Amino acid sequence: KAGVTQTPRYLIKTRGQQVTLSCSPISGHRSVSWYQQTPGQGLQFLFEYFSETQRNKGNFPGRFSGRQFSNSRSEMNVSTLELGDSALYLCASTVDRAKNSPLHFGNGTRLTVT
Amino acid sequence: GESVGLHLPTLSVQEGDNSIINCAYSNSASDYFIWYKQESGKGPQFIIDIRSNMDKRQGQRVTVLLNKTVKHLSLQIAATQPGDSAVYFCAENNMSQKLVFGQGTRLTINP
Repeated sequence: KAGVTQTPRYLIKTRGQQVTLSCSPISGHRSVSWYQQTPGQGLQFLFEYFSETQRNKGNFPGRFSGRQFSNSRSEMNVSTLELGDSALYLCASTVDRAKNSPLHFGNGTRLTVT
Repeated sequence: GESVGLHLPTLSVQEGDNSIINCAYSNSASDYFIWYKQESGKGPQFIIDIRSNMDKRQGQRVTVLLNKTVKHLSLQIAATQPGDSAVYFCAENNMSQKLVFGQGTRLTINP
């Protein structure tokens, strides 16, 4: 099976812009979670989607949003970018988070905000 | 509060020795724990998991131990190899069904 695919791998944006990141989960996985990884804060949970519905949300401002499509693919959007949004954004999929199955991560999108 | 922390940020071991990476968690209600390995430029890779109704689980060259009394989790890697060099994260599944990650331990293998 192909793993979790995230595109693009790298992005450079300027403050105030918005960005959309894409994630294709492992085939058959219906749950997609997003994490932000920074050296100072580590891995921070953004949100989780299951069957096109946001099932769980972390403590991030409303500028961070996401969605999931009927084929389980997911996108996350960050509007009005700030310098502090520079991070590695990781997507992870699993069959169903509610059943304690492990997350399988993609290699991330490295976002740099200048 | 809900937090997962690691005792040591770095660990250096000799090639061929066993490595032990430790993790403390604070939420006694957490019911599921996972260890991940992250190499440079890659996302975290699943190593092994354990449910709270177990004390020990073994995989290939790895063993996870769970001590619920003191809320401690450890990952043991047998016969450490150069390819084991990475940052290792523990994660706990809290009652909000969020997977909370520790800060990570960097494992360095000395030849």
